[in-house]
Amino acid sequence: EDQVTQSPEALRLQEGESSSLNCSYTVSGLRGLFWYRQDPGKGPEFLFTLYSAGEEKEKERLKATLTKKESFLHITAPKPEDSATYLCAVEVAHSGYALNFGKGTSLLVTP
Amino acid sequence: GAVVSQHPSRVICKSGTSVKIECRSLDFQATTMFWYRQFPKQSLMLMATSNEGSKATYEQGVEKDKFLINHASLTLSTLTVTSAHPEDSSFYICSASQGGARGYTFGSGTRLTVV
Repeated sequence: EDQVTQSPEALRLQEGESSSLNCSYTVSGLRGLFWYRQDPGKGPEFLFTLYSAGEEKEKERLKATLTKKESFLHITAPKPEDSATYLCAVEVAHSGYALNFGKGTSLLVTP
Repeated sequence: GAVVSQHPSRVICKSGTSVKIECRSLDFQATTMFWYRQFPKQSLMLMATSNEGSKATYEQGVEKDKFLINHASLTLSTLTVTSAHPEDSSFYICSASQGGARGYTFGSGTRLTVV
């Protein structure tokens, strides 16, 4: 059974304190791994797609990496506006293709 | 960039009534749209996949007669919650597929409260 597990469930950082969020996955035939940001009461906002082990992508203070079993979202020198829930999802073959989400990591960055 | 518009953003309805939620892809054609449900502190759970012009495919445990999905055009899909009950109260989110690296664009969600 396809599984996506994110850790930690919640993370509190001080502004400027870098850290990493983890997404481990067990899927048969990974097509792509997606990272999204979700603000309260909003839909997910696309951040990155990774396709193969060793791939890395960056956007501002965020950097996503992928191995054969997990992905990391590194946050460098976060700011309070980075506070959100970060969701990891894997694209699986499922009545066509669809995204299977983890439960997310709720990040709070304090000034 | 691709935009998916979802309406209404929040709705309160009485138990036993039906509610329709619309999902539109504004600047691209979406052959496939997805409907998710999200309970507090939980992840997005896929309810159904709809392809334009054909019947939706529902996930196990999702009642197709209760959650009616219509994908009549390449830019519009609707989800109707029929005979709503308080346990249907949740955050419903649609997504449209473009293909490629940015394959899935999400709407802003609909907060449904059944009283």
